[in-house]
Amino acid sequence: KAGVTQTPRYLIKTRGQQVTLSCSPISGHRSVSWYQQTPGQGLQFLFEYFSETQRNKGNFPGRFSGRQFSNSRSEMNVSTLELGDSALYLCASSTTGANVLTFGAGSRLTVL
Amino acid sequence: AQTVTQSQPEMSVQEAETVTLSCTYDTSENNYYLFWYKQPPSRQMILVIRQEAYKQQNATENRFSVNFQKAAKSFSLKISDSQLGDTAMYFCAFKGDSGGSNYKLTFGKGTLLTVNP
Repeated sequence: KAGVTQTPRYLIKTRGQQVTLSCSPISGHRSVSWYQQTPGQGLQFLFEYFSETQRNKGNFPGRFSGRQFSNSRSEMNVSTLELGDSALYLCASSTTGANVLTFGAGSRLTVL
Repeated sequence: AQTVTQSQPEMSVQEAETVTLSCTYDTSENNYYLFWYKQPPSRQMILVIRQEAYKQQNATENRFSVNFQKAAKSFSLKISDSQLGDTAMYFCAFKGDSGGSNYKLTFGKGTLLTVNP
């Protein structure tokens, strides 16, 4: 069974640009969550999607958005990038009602 | 709001020895779930072990076991017979069972464990 797949693995952007990250969950998993990991703030919850609906959102500005498609794949978008958005973005998926998240390898974003 | 504290930023252990990583948490919920995840240099966050708060028995997964003290809100991870492949950042995480905390994991800051040959 394939794991959670995140693309791209690495990317470099400049301030003011926007970026889109993709996450393909484990087959059959309908819930997808996103987390931001930085050295200073640690791991912080961004948002959670289920059946194409955003169910929960963390304390991030509106520049951070996402969506989920009918096949459960999810994308997150960050607009007007700032230096502080440099981070590892982790996606995790789970089955309905499950308490265990399975994570992908992450997308490392560097903003110059 | 729930908080998770890992008081040991870094630890080291000799191969084949035993090491214990500490974690404390704060919550007003009665039922919840606790996890230890490991993140090696490859960055993949891997579930090591989980514990349901309503279960008194401590969880065990091969060389990994926990000491869950609900009243003390303590959840430590013991790694026996440490192996070089255990070198990683270890995160303790909390997930509530209701209300505003059941949809996300709250993580500690992590403990960097190095296993020396």
